[in-house]
Amino acid sequence: GEDVEQSLFLSVREGDSSVINCTYTDSSSTYLYWYKQEPGAGLQLLTYIFSNMDMKQDQRLTVLLNKKDKHLSLRIADTQTGDSAIYFCAVSLTGGGNKLTFGTGTQLKVEL
Amino acid sequence: ETGVTQSPTHLIKTRGQQVTLRCSSQSGHNTVSWYQQALGQGPQFIFQYYREEENGRGNFPPRFSGLQFPNYSSELNVNALELDDSALYLCASSPGDYDQETQYFGPGTRLLVL
Repeated sequence: GEDVEQSLFLSVREGDSSVINCTYTDSSSTYLYWYKQEPGAGLQLLTYIFSNMDMKQDQRLTVLLNKKDKHLSLRIADTQTGDSAIYFCAVSLTGGGNKLTFGTGTQLKVEL
Repeated sequence: ETGVTQSPTHLIKTRGQQVTLRCSSQSGHNTVSWYQQALGQGPQFIFQYYREEENGRGNFPPRFSGLQFPNYSSELNVNALELDDSALYLCASSPGDYDQETQYFGPGTRLLVL
C-alpha cells in the first residue's frame, strides 16, 4: 500500500521561511494535500496540488512536487508564531475514491 | 469552520464496551469518511460511505462499523472496545460527485478506553 513519510520536527525563527518535506511511494498518487492541525483540533486543509503540476503558490504557501523522486514540499514564507502546529502531508490515489493516506506529521515550532 | 460537526467531543469507555460516535456533514455532501488518529500519528482511513452504502474500507476489523443517513449524518460504531482503540476519531465529508474532491474534516471525538 501507499506509504507517506515526513520528518518529525522543524524549528524556525519568526520571519524566516519554513520548508516541510514529504515523500510517498505510490506513483499513481493523484492529489497531494497539506493539512494543518493545531492542538486539540481537527484538520484544516491548507492547500493541495494535482499530480500534473510542479508548483502551486497560494499567498504565503508554496507547494513543490517532484514526481520523479516522489517528493512533496510545503514552504511557508514569513513564518509566524500562529503557524506553530502539526503539518500533515496526505495523498489520494487514482480510483481511490477519495481515500487519503497521511504521513506521520511534522511538528513546526516557531520561535521569537 | 468546515460545517462538519462531531459529537461527543470527548468520551471515556472501558474495555469490552461499545461506543457510537456521530458526525453531521455539510448539506449536499454525499460522501463521509472516518479516520482514526492515534496519539502522535497521522490519521488512518477506517471506511467511507457514499449515499448510505459502504464505499471502501481500510485495514480495520469488522467490529468497526458505520451507518450513513439521508439527512447527511453518520455514525461510527465500535464493539468490544480495546485499549488500542483510544484515539481521536475524525470524520470528513465531500460532495461525492467526483473521484477526487476536497474533504472537510470535523473537530473529532477523543475516545479514551480504560
